[in-house]
This record gives sequence, structure tokens and C-alpha cells, in this order.
Amino acid sequence: NAGVMQNPRHLVRRRGQEARLRCSPMKGHSHVYWYRQLPEEGLKFMVYLQKENIIDESGMPKERFSAEFPKEGPSILRIQQVVRGDSAAYFCASSPPVRAPNTGELFFGEGSRLTVL
Amino acid sequence: QQQVKQSPQSLIVQKGGISIINCAYENTAFDYFPWYQQFPGKGPALLIAIRPDVSEKKEGRFTISFNKSAKQFSLHIMDSQPGDSATYFCAAPDDRGSTLGRLYFGRGTQLTVWP
Repeated sequence: NAGVMQNPRHLVRRRGQEARLRCSPMKGHSHVYWYRQLPEEGLKFMVYLQKENIIDESGMPKERFSAEFPKEGPSILRIQQVVRGDSAAYFCASSPPVRAPNTGELFFGEGSRLTVL
Repeated sequence: QQQVKQSPQSLIVQKGGISIINCAYENTAFDYFPWYQQFPGKGPALLIAIRPDVSEKKEGRFTISFNKSAKQFSLHIMDSQPGDSATYFCAAPDDRGSTLGRLYFGRGTQLTVWP
């Protein structure tokens, strides 16, 4: 059973370009979360999605960032007109419809590392 | 919104020693409090978690102690090994409950265990 798959693992963009990060959750998982990790910092929640629905986007910057989880295909985090401050590791996590009873575990992918030149 | 404070930022321990990492949260929460372990270049992976109605949980060399009244919890790693060298994150659930699925993470503790 494959884990959470993220691609690309590394992405380099120039200022003003667009970045698209993809996440395929674990099989049987219908809930997806995106987190951002800046150097020397913890993970910051960005958005929580279920299939075709954004449940909570309170951690998402108001401009340039968007996320979707379509009925078919991976979840996508899109950053338009990237700036240097967007350089970070972006992690996707997934969970099943009913979370593990003892831990509420989130399963993380290995992340996509965005570098903005 | 939940705030989580984690200390120390870095920790160096000799092999066989005890590693202790502390966390404090601000708002009421009634879901799971997990610890995640992250190796360089990898995603975080769940290490151990505790519910707030339990004061201690032990799994092998790893123990979580939870003080609900003080809103603090800590991770103890007994008989620390070089393979434990990683970054450890504590997390607290959203204070509105688990249905929102969101975790708030501490800034992380980089643990180095010397052989």
C-alpha cells in the first residue's frame, strides 16, 4: 500500500512564475491537508480538503494561493506569481474518513521543496 | 486558534541517556496530542500520541507525560540511541475538536544522540 505521494520533490521557480504541487493520498484516504514548513520552523497548517470540497482554508494566504482536490486525480496546491518568501517545504498529509481511534494520525508525504530564485 | 510552544530547540544527548522535550499549548483541546519524528529529507511520521484524559502513555522507550491543568506535555526518550537523532515535533489539535482535522505544531527539537 503506497504512502502519500507528492511531486515534484524539488521545484525551482523564478519570481513571478507559477508553482503547482501535487499530492496523491494513501489508498482509502479521502481527507487531505497541506502544511508549509519554513527553515528552522514547525509545520504551519494551510488547508484541509475532502473530495471536491474545501473544509478549512483558514491557514492559506488570501492571495496567490489556491488548493483543490477534484473527484478524480491528485490534490493540487497552486501558488501564482511566486515570491522568494514562498521558498519552503510543502507537505501533504492524508487521513481516512474515520481517523485512527487512538491517535488521530495524519500520514505525511515526503514533501515538495520549492525554491524561488 | 491553538498555539504550541516547544523547547528546547536543540538537544544533544549521549547514547544511553534520557532525552526530554517539552511542549505547552494555550487553548482547550479534547483530542489527541501527538509527537511526530522527522528525519532529514523525509516527511514527519507519527511516533506516539496521547489523549488528554490520560496522564502518561508509554510505548517502548518513548513516554508521553501529560499535565492537563498546566496545559503541558512532554516526550521522554529512554536509553537514547544514535538512530533516534531526528527532529521531533509536538502537536495539539484544533480547539474546536477533531472534526476539523487540523494540528498545530511546535517549532521542533533537533535531537542529536552521540555514540
